[in-house]
Amino acid sequence: EVVMTQSPATLSVSPGERATLSCRASQSISSNLAWYQQKPGLAPRLLIYGASTRATGIPARFSGSGSGIEFSLTISSLQSEDFAIYYCLQYDNWPPYTFGQGTKLEVK
Amino acid sequence: QVQLQQWGAGLLKPSETLSLTCAVYRGSFSGFYWSWIRQSPGRGLEWIGEINHSGSTTYNPSLKSRVTISTDTSRNQFSLEMKSVTVADTAVYYCARGGFVVAGNLEYNWFDPWGQGTLVTVSS
Repeated sequence: EVVMTQSPATLSVSPGERATLSCRASQSISSNLAWYQQKPGLAPRLLIYGASTRATGIPARFSGSGSGIEFSLTISSLQSEDFAIYYCLQYDNWPPYTFGQGTKLEVK
Repeated sequence: QVQLQQWGAGLLKPSETLSLTCAVYRGSFSGFYWSWIRQSPGRGLEWIGEINHSGSTTYNPSLKSRVTISTDTSRNQFSLEMKSVTVADTAVYYCARGGFVVAGNLEYNWFDPWGQGTLVTVSS
């Protein structure tokens, strides 16, 4: 099973600033990584797939990078609606597909 | 735009069988893989299993012995059954669309979109 480790667990950033979230895989997953945003009471929302491709309707301030075992999600200028929990998902090696434990992005 | 709507019993007693159904609207059912995923404070997001329109399934090895996923192509629906539930199975359960087969290989297999989620509580 591929273990996905996200860091930090909580990230405190001020609106308008840049946030960078990390996700590390326990083995190489090529670029088969997706990022999700989740707000309370809602299902996760797809942001990024293929490590760096924005999903339909996702603002350009969201960008993903990385390949192999190290990945990152950057939000260039935080808006109020961006404060949420972010998860990474690997879909390279299954079963099972595996998610990271999440990074909570909170207002500083 | 494809939408997933799910339903099922939300309160179970230990040893009972969990049963959820997900309907796919405004999109193709055939050709795609369809998954169940659950989320709990203790386990985070956990993939349960997937099925395609022809009934081919893959399960999480950790749950395989208790889980059955089935499909009703006439209604564009797929279902989850999990037997012998315990308190540890308390979670929000989601259905989601996965990837599709390209040249014999399952590709594009991230999850999007998701259903609205169903809170399943197991309590005596």
